[in-house]
Amino acid sequence: GNSVTQMEGPVTLSEEAFLTINCTYTATGYPSLFWYVQYPGEGLQLLLKATKADDKGSNKGFEATYRKETTSFHLEKGSVQVSDSAVYFCALLTSGTYKYIFGTGTRLKVLA
Amino acid sequence: DAGVIQSPRHEVTEMGQEVTLRCKPISGHNSLFWYRQTMMRGLELLIYFNNNVPIDDSGMPEDRFSAKMPNASFSTLKIQPSEPRDSAVYFCASMADSNQPQHFGDGTRLSIL
Repeated sequence: GNSVTQMEGPVTLSEEAFLTINCTYTATGYPSLFWYVQYPGEGLQLLLKATKADDKGSNKGFEATYRKETTSFHLEKGSVQVSDSAVYFCALLTSGTYKYIFGTGTRLKVLA
Repeated sequence: DAGVIQSPRHEVTEMGQEVTLRCKPISGHNSLFWYRQTMMRGLELLIYFNNNVPIDDSGMPEDRFSAKMPNASFSTLKIQPSEPRDSAVYFCASMADSNQPQHFGDGTRLSIL
């Protein structure tokens, strides 16, 4: 079946450090891939997405590239801020469906 | 535009009581999802509706849980009777169509004493 595997957290970084959160997936067909972010006390919100191989999603300085050959969608940011502290979820959605498959989430803590 | 609206934001009640959580999806969205989030189990999909019809309720933990969607603008998740292990944050999300992002409400934090 379809699944998403994220790196275990928490990830603790100093402000302006480089961020990578790994995500790999298993899916039949050609899924769309997403990163969602959850700030404390809030629901998940879409951060970025990519719908086909080699697409790069980007938003707020975050980027992720859909790599079909390695079945990966790693999240990166060149210089994190304290305000980026949150839980990040990788997710996939099989074409034509409604049911997301979410990873377990990775907590990021950025220290000033 | 208003996002997904959930009520109440917080609920504290004693075990054995009936709990009803409410959700108003974004207007025009045809799919609605109920999730439960805990530290131990993470984010779990409980049930989802498409055009007000329940499509997949395989995540509903047991018969004490029930969900309804009487119209396109309202859904409820009911727990009767409630138990302490039901304590969690419950999220509602809506979606405009397949292959689209889900939009989440801010959740209901439920504590069963």
